[in-house]
Amino acid sequence: ILNVEQSPQSLHVQEGDSTNFTCSFPSSNFYALHWYRWETAKSPEALFVMTLNGDEKKKGRISATLNTKEGYSYLYIKGSQPEDSATYLCASRGNTGFQKLVFGTGTRLLVSP
Amino acid sequence: DTEVTQTPKHLVMGMTNKKSLKCEQHMGHRAMYWYKQKAKKPPELMFVYSYEKLSINESVPSRFSPECPNSSLLNLHLHALQPEDSALYLCASSQVSGTGGNQPQHFGDGTRLSIL
Repeated sequence: ILNVEQSPQSLHVQEGDSTNFTCSFPSSNFYALHWYRWETAKSPEALFVMTLNGDEKKKGRISATLNTKEGYSYLYIKGSQPEDSATYLCASRGNTGFQKLVFGTGTRLLVSP
Repeated sequence: DTEVTQTPKHLVMGMTNKKSLKCEQHMGHRAMYWYKQKAKKPPELMFVYSYEKLSINESVPSRFSPECPNSSLLNLHLHALQPEDSALYLCASSQVSGTGGNQPQHFGDGTRLSIL
């Protein structure tokens, strides 16, 4: 059974601040790590899917890194904007359980103008 | 706008009612999922369909009955639910490529279900 943990649970930053969150997952039997952004009253939106140790992905001001040997991923937001306010979820998939993702509880980000 | 459409958005039902949740996607995805999400908890996988066949059932009680009538539609039939089944039910879809775990999932907005 996978156990995916995220920290911090919530974060309040000012517009223009850069921030980062952590996702921890079991490193054994790792297959893929997903990041999603979930705005209130909307559907979760896929940000990144990462599979390779050392992988880095970027989408605009948001980037993510992956360390599969130690079982963690970081999500970075550069120059936060109020529209970045959302819950950021990570989800891990192991080698067993076809297409089964196990989600963390998320980091809730609030960016104040 | 989401590419995965769920109806209804809200549903209130009694414990003896029978109702269905519907999910539709037209992205050509051949994997579809149902998740249950309680407040302040992560989404929990319930069912996975791959090529219209049930591939994962996460030991979900039989009062929840999934159905995938074609590659675009996914239903969740509800009967004799309990108050603890009140939650947000999310549908998602993805491509099936190799073992599929490296394909992002596309989510609907969810159905907020309340059991009286």
